[in-house]
Amino acid sequence: ETGVTQTPRHLVMGMTNKKSLKCEQHLGHNAMYWYKQSAKKPLELMFVYNFKEQTENNSVPSRFSPECPNSSHLFLHLHTLQPEDSALYLCASSLFQGSGADTQYFGPGTRLTVL
Amino acid sequence: AQTVTQSQPEMSVQEAETVTLSCTYDTSESDYYLFWYKQPPSRQMILVIRQEAYKQQNATENRFSVNFQKAAKSFSLKISDSQLGDAAMYFCAYRRTQGGSEKLVFGKGTKLTVNP
Repeated sequence: ETGVTQTPRHLVMGMTNKKSLKCEQHLGHNAMYWYKQSAKKPLELMFVYNFKEQTENNSVPSRFSPECPNSSHLFLHLHTLQPEDSALYLCASSLFQGSGADTQYFGPGTRLTVL
Repeated sequence: AQTVTQSQPEMSVQEAETVTLSCTYDTSESDYYLFWYKQPPSRQMILVIRQEAYKQQNATENRFSVNFQKAAKSFSLKISDSQLGDAAMYFCAYRRTQGGSEKLVFGKGTKLTVNP
């Protein structure tokens, strides 16, 4: 596979469930990102990892917990979510954070529905 | 804080015609990057074109070109010879060049429909 992949593509969960979203990039990048895309709202950056270290947390509630075990993989652990957390969650990667004109490459997203 | 505004929630164009999507932004920075991303119905967001603010020449990628007006803080996307595959959501985005943050600030998007 090439590019940025995300699994699962669709997820339905109850408010008491615990689930995880997975992102994998095959581009040799060192920076990875989680975005939230809600209807009729701009994409919102959630977290940034650079060389496995979290460098940005955009005031995200603690019910979202990211994990970056290596530069190729990024997880988003979900627990006790709310219905308003239903959205498309996009993962992206770039060469490394702070590299100027570096382009971010996006995955296809996980469509999350919280019941 | 930087903001990006796309004033056209929806646009339509006839196949083979030309369409221009508008984008304005607000920033106090003098150097930054601007992007247009395309998100087809399959949801994979892909980069269409990129412009460095310090470059006066407008960026061009095949049928896609921008009209970058730095003083007016305007960054429109022109799609020439529109094709059915151009139908998608188009997002304008801004990123500062310094400070270490790779935060992309996105507009709300413009949905482009291409009519056969």
